[in-house]
Order: sequence, then structure tokens, then C-alpha cells
Amino acid sequence: AQSVSQHNHHVILSEAASLELGCNYSYGGTVNLFWYVQYPGQHLQLLLKYFSGDPLVKGIKGFEAEFIKSKFSFNLRKPSVQWSDTAEYFCAVNARFGNEKLTFGTGTRLTIIP
Amino acid sequence: GAVVSQHPSRVICKSGTSVKIECRSLDFQATTMFWYRQFPKQSLMLMATSNEGSKATYEQGVEKDKFLINHASLTLSTLTVTSAHPEDSSFYICSARDRAFRQGQETQYFGPGTRLLVL
Repeated sequence: AQSVSQHNHHVILSEAASLELGCNYSYGGTVNLFWYVQYPGQHLQLLLKYFSGDPLVKGIKGFEAEFIKSKFSFNLRKPSVQWSDTAEYFCAVNARFGNEKLTFGTGTRLTIIP
Repeated sequence: GAVVSQHPSRVICKSGTSVKIECRSLDFQATTMFWYRQFPKQSLMLMATSNEGSKATYEQGVEKDKFLINHASLTLSTLTVTSAHPEDSSFYICSARDRAFRQGQETQYFGPGTRLLVL
């Protein structure tokens, strides 16, 4: 079974600061990796995903993530955050073939101070 | 594209009654839908996998007789919480997998969730 760790539970940044949220997974096989965002009072939205190919994935709203296979990591980055990025961010993983169930990390609450 | 809706968005019911929550994929067909439960300030916990035309697969610890799932069409899955009790109060979220993606590269799209309060 796979597991996902998000070490940062709550991150507070000022506008224009750079962001990096950590995500590590545990699984012996090939995985698909996702970052979802949940804005206050809204539903989960897909930020970006990695299936194969270029390990640097660009998503919506200026976010990107890098898959480092040797570190089992898929950290989320944004060079300059905005107040509107305040939200809960979830990393998720599923097995590439066979079981498609998503396993979520515990989430990171991001608060951006204007 | 890839919009998933849920109805109702919020429901309050008395203890002992049953509540049905609908999950619909609006612009794509979903052979597989998933039901999650989210507790305040926590992550999503997968309850069950709903497959069109067959029985749902429940995660360990989830009572299948309490949480009835029906996936009668490629765009609709329902979750019925039977004989609801206050401890069933939670935020229930569904997701749907677009069957158009090739195997191994499916993406789940999430509904807005249903907040259930059992008094």
C-alpha cells in the first residue's frame, strides 16, 4: 500500500515570497502523482499531475512540481505567492497500473499575509 | 470540462433517518466514482469505490450496510447513509474518473462535497 507524507502542516508567508511544499510518498511500484488545492469553502481542484516524461510539471496559477524519483518526492513550488493562494494543499498518489485509488497526504494549510 | 456535481450541498436530518447524496459527472462519462469522507481540518479518507453496473468496493472499516452505494449509470452514483447517527455527521465528497483517459493515466475530478449534520 502507498502512503503520502506532507511535513508542513501550516505555512505562513507574505505576498511575493517563494513557496515550496514538501511531499514524499512510499510505494514500491510506478506511481502517478497529483497536487490538489482546496480554497476556503470550495471543492478540491486539480493543480497539476505527473504521469511520465519530464519530471518538472507545470500546473495552473503558476504552480509547478518536480518529481525526484530517487527521493520519492514531489514538492510543489511557486516563485511568488499571492494572497489568493491561501488554501489547503493536498498531495496524492496512486499506482500507475492496477489499483487506481488515490492516497492523500494530510494536507498543508497555506496562509498568505497581504 | 470535467465537472462533477453533488446534491444536496448541505443536509440536516434527524437521527435514525436515511439520507441520499447524488454525485454526477456533468460533461464526461465515469465508469468509476469514489466516495470520500473529510473530517474538519483533516485529509480525505476513501470510503468506497463505485463501479458502474457492479457492486461497490468498500475500504476496511466502512460498513457497507450503512453506506449504500449505487452506480446505475455512467454519470450518476449515489451514497445513502442509512439510519444516520450524529457520528455520521461529516463532509462527504465524491470524485469521478474520466473513462476517456488511457489506462494508468486517469485523473479524478472532485465534487463540491455534501455537509451532513445529524441531530
